[in-house]
Amino acid sequence: AQSVTQLDSHVSVSEGTPVLLRCNYSSSYSPSLFWYVQHPNKGLQLLLKYTSAATLVKGINGFEAEFKKSETSFHLTKPSAHMSDAAEYFCVVSGRGGGYNKLIFGAGTRLAVHP
Amino acid sequence: DGGITQSPKYLFRKEGQNVTLSCEQNLNHDAMYWYRQDPGQGLRLIYYSQIVNDFQKGDIAEGYSVSREKKESFPLTVTSAQKNPTAFYLCASMDRLYEQYFGPGTRLTVT
Repeated sequence: AQSVTQLDSHVSVSEGTPVLLRCNYSSSYSPSLFWYVQHPNKGLQLLLKYTSAATLVKGINGFEAEFKKSETSFHLTKPSAHMSDAAEYFCVVSGRGGGYNKLIFGAGTRLAVHP
Repeated sequence: DGGITQSPKYLFRKEGQNVTLSCEQNLNHDAMYWYRQDPGQGLRLIYYSQIVNDFQKGDIAEGYSVSREKKESFPLTVTSAQKNPTAFYLCASMDRLYEQYFGPGTRLTVT
């Protein structure tokens, strides 16, 4: 079975400082992994995805994530936070269960960015 | 523009009434999904459909119903049997590489 754990429910950073949002996953096979961002009262937008190509994945808005199989991690980073980065972030792993393709969502990490 | 549309953005209903949320996609995806999101929580799967005229229950299907008569459309009905219907509802479709594309959501308030 697949599962995903986001290690921090809230992260607070100052504008211009690095961002680290942590995610660990569990999967019995090589999964696809995703990070989505959700701004208040909006749908989810894909930031980046890992699909067994390069382990360092670059996404939109300066975000990137590194797939580390030995640590079963897929942490999201950004060198310098911007006020507009304040949002909810979801780590997601692909899975298959009950005969269908599905995504398993983490509980989310709320990122606050202070001036 | 390709994408997913959901309507309305905000919906208010009295307790005991059924209500239908619309979801339309023009991405030509076979698979579509409905999720429920409550404050401070992740997404929970209500129903999914992998192909026209077929759909399956997700993790929290009680009190909900769906139909999939057309590839483009996957409406969700919240029935009076749903105990706590007030929530943010998200519709999504999925491509062959597992990437899901989300609509803007419908916030349903039942009083």
